[in-house]
Order: sequence, then structure tokens, then C-alpha cells
Amino acid sequence: KQEVTQIPAALSVPEGENLVLNCSFTDSAIYNLQWFRQDPGKGLTSLLLIQSSQREQTSGRLNASLDKSSGRSTLYIAASQPGDSATYLCAVLPSGGGADGLTFGKGTHLIIQP
Amino acid sequence: KAGVTQTPRYLIKTRGQQVTLSCSPISGHRSVSWYQQTPGQGLQFLFEYFSETQRNKGNFPGRFSGRQFSNSRSEMNVSTLELGDSALYLCASSLTDPRKGLPGNNEQFFGPGTRLTVL
Repeated sequence: KQEVTQIPAALSVPEGENLVLNCSFTDSAIYNLQWFRQDPGKGLTSLLLIQSSQREQTSGRLNASLDKSSGRSTLYIAASQPGDSATYLCAVLPSGGGADGLTFGKGTHLIIQP
Repeated sequence: KAGVTQTPRYLIKTRGQQVTLSCSPISGHRSVSWYQQTPGQGLQFLFEYFSETQRNKGNFPGRFSGRQFSNSRSEMNVSTLELGDSALYLCASSLTDPRKGLPGNNEQFFGPGTRLTVL
């Protein structure tokens, strides 16, 4: 059964710092990996999608990498801002017959101090 | 282009009742998935529909059911509600079958959720 782990569970940094969020998954048989952010009481906002054949994706100040063989992904946030404060979730879409939907990690709760 | 919409946004029910939640995907999207989010278990997959067919189902009891209509709108139903069903229910849509299609067509977009409270 696929399991997704996110480290750290919580992170608080001053504004302007660059930071890295980590995600690991136990089964490398995946179609893709998505990073989301969730604001309190809200739905999920898709940040980046990496197909299983890709190594990284970039959008603005965000860069996500994928190493499928080692079961790891990182989300790099450059020049953090208070508006980046949210919970960041990593999710993988398993491949194979009878596969489930997205399997999520528990998230990293990020606070950017002004 | 409008995003994924879910109705109602909030619901309060009592144990034993049943509830129906609705999801309208992004226009043109044919795949709809449902997830349950609780503080203890996090996000868990409920079911996935594509072209009115249930493609996958998560590890939930038969009290949880769903369907998809020809216009891709989807509903999920929970019967005989229990206290533990209190959760945020999220719906996601993608353009194609999430495991097929061109890269970029299987990105999943989530709605704002329906907050269900069971008393």
C-alpha cells in the first residue's frame, strides 16, 4: 500500500528565506505527483504537477523535483512571503490495476513571519 | 473559466440521517473524484468517476455511494450518518482519465469542499 510522508510537519521561517519541503513515497509505481496548498478551512489549490517521466517543474517562485527511483520529491520556495503561509500537501497518483485515487501526505504547515 | 463548485458548502445533520453532496466539475472535465478530509486521517480517497462509470473506490463502507451524470456533474450520498462522518468532503476534476491523456490533461483541480457536521 502506498504511503506518503512529509517532513517537516511544521515550519516557521522569517520572510525572505528560501525553503525546502520534503515528500517521500514508498511505491515508485506512480503516474504523477502533485503539490497543493490548503488555506485554513478551504479546498486545495494545485501548485505543480510532475509526470512520472519528468524530473522537475517550475512555476514562479516554486520549483518541484521528483526522483521516482528513490521515492522522493521536494518543493522549493524562493524568497518566501507571508502570503505563502498555508499547509502544503504532496500527493501521488498510483499506477497499476485497481489503483486508488491520489494518496496524500499529512502536509507541512508553513508559517512565514513578516 | 469557473472552477470546481460544490454545494452545499456547509451541512449539519444528526446521526442516522442521510445526506447528498453535489459537485460540478470545471467545464469540459470528464473525471470527478471525491475525498474525505479529517484531522485524524487526513485526506482519503472515496471514489473516482469517468464518463458516468465508477472507476475506483476507496476503503469506505457501503454507506458511501456516488454517481456521475451525463454532464459530468457528480453526487455522493452518505446514508445512516455516524458521528465519525463529520469531515470536509472535497471533489476534484480533471480533463481526462487521470491515468491517461496527454501530460497536463490529468492535473486534478479541487473545489472548496462541503463541511459536514454530524450531531
